[in-house]
Amino acid sequence: GAVVSQHPSWVICKSGTSVKIECRSLDFQATTMFWYRQFPKQSLMLMATSNEGSKATYEQGVEKDKFLINHASLTLSTLTVTSAHPEDSSFYICSARDLVLQPGANVLTFGAGSRLTVL
Amino acid sequence: DAKTTQPTSMDCAEGRAANLPCNHSTISGNEYVYWYRQIHSQGPQYIIHGLKNNETNEMASLIITEDRKSSTLILPHATLRDTAVYYCIVTPDNYGQNFVFGPGTRLSVLP
Repeated sequence: GAVVSQHPSWVICKSGTSVKIECRSLDFQATTMFWYRQFPKQSLMLMATSNEGSKATYEQGVEKDKFLINHASLTLSTLTVTSAHPEDSSFYICSARDLVLQPGANVLTFGAGSRLTVL
Repeated sequence: DAKTTQPTSMDCAEGRAANLPCNHSTISGNEYVYWYRQIHSQGPQYIIHGLKNNETNEMASLIITEDRKSSTLILPHATLRDTAVYYCIVTPDNYGQNFVFGPGTRLSVLP
């Protein structure tokens, strides 16, 4: 089946630094990827929709200059948390859809997530 | 906002069937019902989806009422590894559509 890989699975950084999280679709191409954020004991919240070759679409309340998204190829999207602060500590999850494997379904495949801790 | 309502939590004995209900009374004609689960500190995992007919796969069965206003996910023989948060999601079958996650149901399978 479709596999989405995220890296790193966890990262600890100092306040004020930037952190990049990669999301790769393995063995399939994804023109669209979604980035979610999940705080402890809460549900997933969509942050942005990443579109290959164009600008990402951000959800209301998500700062596009703080959460930079780049979708430069059909298999890779990156999320960069710039000038990270402790309140950015969260579980970041990406997802993508394999339209070839499941052409008639809206099935999203999720990565394993990346846990960011900002000290 | 999520279009579904689910119980906050449920318990199930190991080896017994787990029946997880979901209410989606405002579902539209072109919207599907999807079920995902999230084991602690992992990404959500697809389980099953359906439009109006009951569906079954190797993981679970999905029973959708005739009026489509509610559904039940059935794990026929729950194991300890099925302990997770289960999300019922309603969404159009549109490739660009993202999923809106509600709080889900926290299922605890007890030995």
